[in-house]
Amino acid sequence: DTAVSQTPKYLVTQMGNDKSIKCEQNLGHDTMYWYKQDSKKFLKIMFSYNNKELIINETVPNRFSPKSPDKAHLNLHINSLELGDSAVYFCASSPRDRGYEQYFGPGTRLTVT
Amino acid sequence: AQSVTQLDSQVPVFEEAPVELRCNYSSSVSVYLFWYVQYPNQGLQLLLKYLSGSTLVKGINGFEAEFNKSQTSFHLRKPSVHISDTAEYFCAVSAVPDDKIIFGKGTRLHILP
Repeated sequence: DTAVSQTPKYLVTQMGNDKSIKCEQNLGHDTMYWYKQDSKKFLKIMFSYNNKELIINETVPNRFSPKSPDKAHLNLHINSLELGDSAVYFCASSPRDRGYEQYFGPGTRLTVT
Repeated sequence: AQSVTQLDSQVPVFEEAPVELRCNYSSSVSVYLFWYVQYPNQGLQLLLKYLSGSTLVKGINGFEAEFNKSQTSFHLRKPSVHISDTAEYFCAVSAVPDDKIIFGKGTRLHILP
């Protein structure tokens, strides 16, 4: 069983489109995250949710909107996609009682043309 | 705010030789420290973590790291590397207690035959 899963794995789309990435974890963790990894492998946190409540919201454009229907799911919707949004997006989850070690999904490679 | 610096962007090493990947952090409060590994086209996987207690931490795949508070370092070591260790390695720090982990820029471990 995959602990943290993301769909789709690859996403190719044109500028101006709206797209969503889905994430699910079956670890029973309370906290989930979205990260963006750029072409230089730099990993930057975007959002964090704890029990469906937004707790971290870094300086991310308003075009990015996370949604958490329940604590096992955290989706990322992106409006009006731009070339600079091309990256690999990782979902992660963590248990709050173990130093917030994080379990990562396989990533979604987004390419905006 | 805490920060983490990985001093080497790339480390070439011959197979079966020892390796050390360097990591320094900065924080005004107590920290948790982590090393993650990212194999090509995969998500990040936790190698080891330091929360408290013994400063020498053993992880998976024969890796270990030592927490040095006076030097604010958390270097990763392996006595004998294998070709399968080829990957990107990320050091990360989290303030105690905090939901956010800050990742370093990564060190690419390149194993030479």
